[in-house]
Amino acid sequence: EAEVAQSPRYKITEKSQAVAFWCDPISGHATLYWYRQILGQGPELLVQFQDESVVDDSQLPKDRFSAERLKGVDSTLKIQPAELGDSAMYLCASSLELAGYNEQFFGPGTRLTVL
Amino acid sequence: DAKTTQPTSMDCAEGRAANLPCNHSTISGNEYVYWYRQIHSQGPQYIIHGLKNNETNEMASLIITEDRKSSTLILPHATLRDTAVYYCIVRAPLSGTASKLTFGTGTRLQVTL
Repeated sequence: EAEVAQSPRYKITEKSQAVAFWCDPISGHATLYWYRQILGQGPELLVQFQDESVVDDSQLPKDRFSAERLKGVDSTLKIQPAELGDSAMYLCASSLELAGYNEQFFGPGTRLTVL
Repeated sequence: DAKTTQPTSMDCAEGRAANLPCNHSTISGNEYVYWYRQIHSQGPQYIIHGLKNNETNEMASLIITEDRKSSTLILPHATLRDTAVYYCIVRAPLSGTASKLTFGTGTRLQVTL
């Protein structure tokens, strides 16, 4: 069964360092989402891509976060510099199309700890 | 998207039916009810969705009241592997940014022996 792949699964870094997370969506899925989940809360959308274009990045802290999906397939989320409050689970999801009722398939996530 | 209200936590004995309620009193006519669950240290997993008719699949049943202001997710024979946080989400089948999922804090279901 096709799955969304993410790496690394765990990342520990010191504040002010740069970190990057990678996501490979299910083959053929045009829409890709990055969510952040703080412990005890539900996931919150950071950025949404349709192919290589950003559809929604209104919740992305653009002073330190960036995301790209250059060829419309895999995607990278970067934080520079990392802050203590960035400690969270970063989840990637993909869906077949942007519109309609398509379910989102989530990857296992990257758990970030900032010291 | 309409706001949803769920109990913080619930317990269920293994083998019994787990009934998870969700209130969505401000739901609009074109908004669907979605259920996802998240097992500890994993990403959320889609369970089921519906508009106004009851729905059933291999994982669960979704019962939506006639006025659509509330719904219940039913796991007919809960197992220990069903222990997870269950999220009820309401969203319209629109294009663009409306396709995002807005998660609340969900219901933590603990299935016990």
